[in-house]
Amino acid sequence: ETAVFQTPNYHVTQVGNEVSFNCKQTLGHDTMYWYKQDSKKLLKIMFSYNNKQLIVNETVPRRFSPQSSDKAHLNLRIKSVEPEDSAVYLCASSPDRGANTEVFFGKGTRLTVV
Amino acid sequence: GDSVTQTEGLVTLTEGLPVMLNCTYQTIYSNPFLFWYVQHLNESPRLLLKSFTDNKRTEHQGFHATLHKSSSSFHLQKSSAQLSDSALYYCALSPRGNTGKLIFGLGTTLQVQP
Repeated sequence: ETAVFQTPNYHVTQVGNEVSFNCKQTLGHDTMYWYKQDSKKLLKIMFSYNNKQLIVNETVPRRFSPQSSDKAHLNLRIKSVEPEDSAVYLCASSPDRGANTEVFFGKGTRLTVV
Repeated sequence: GDSVTQTEGLVTLTEGLPVMLNCTYQTIYSNPFLFWYVQHLNESPRLLLKSFTDNKRTEHQGFHATLHKSSSSFHLQKSSAQLSDSALYYCALSPRGNTGKLIFGLGTTLQVQP
């Protein structure tokens, strides 16, 4: 049963547009993430937040900006999308940020940039 | 830096045969956590099993893996494949540090045929 909810499921947009993706978790977890899964299924972390604080910011283009209003919500905004941004964006959460923590993924938002 | 290698992109086998998916890793940390995540078609990745202890077998849902620090390996095995095992399998490494960050391999698609 999904407890990490993402909207929208799909989004098609043109190069240069701005998009926003929403994520909410109902597990009471402290830590949330954005991962990118590209067309070759490579799964790579983009950002991590713990109690609304940014703790991981991988080498991600500046047009990507995460936003967290509280520990249950983590949104992702992309200003001026580019073709290489086409991917599935997976939101996730975990109880804590320990090395052994289990990460729970949402169903993803599939972005297609045309 | 930290990395995970999964040598097979696609493994195809017949139902009933044993499964072995390879995973090796590189990290500067002496006590990493290793994970296997499974992603079925049109679903999100979910944890299959994890380990921290050297040379100790970990089992879940018929799958098992043993972390071998001497060879930096964490291969996934199952004695008898089922059709329902067809999925994308990710090996992942959690570097030490308080971030919850996971580093994923490229994934291995397992196709089980009747």
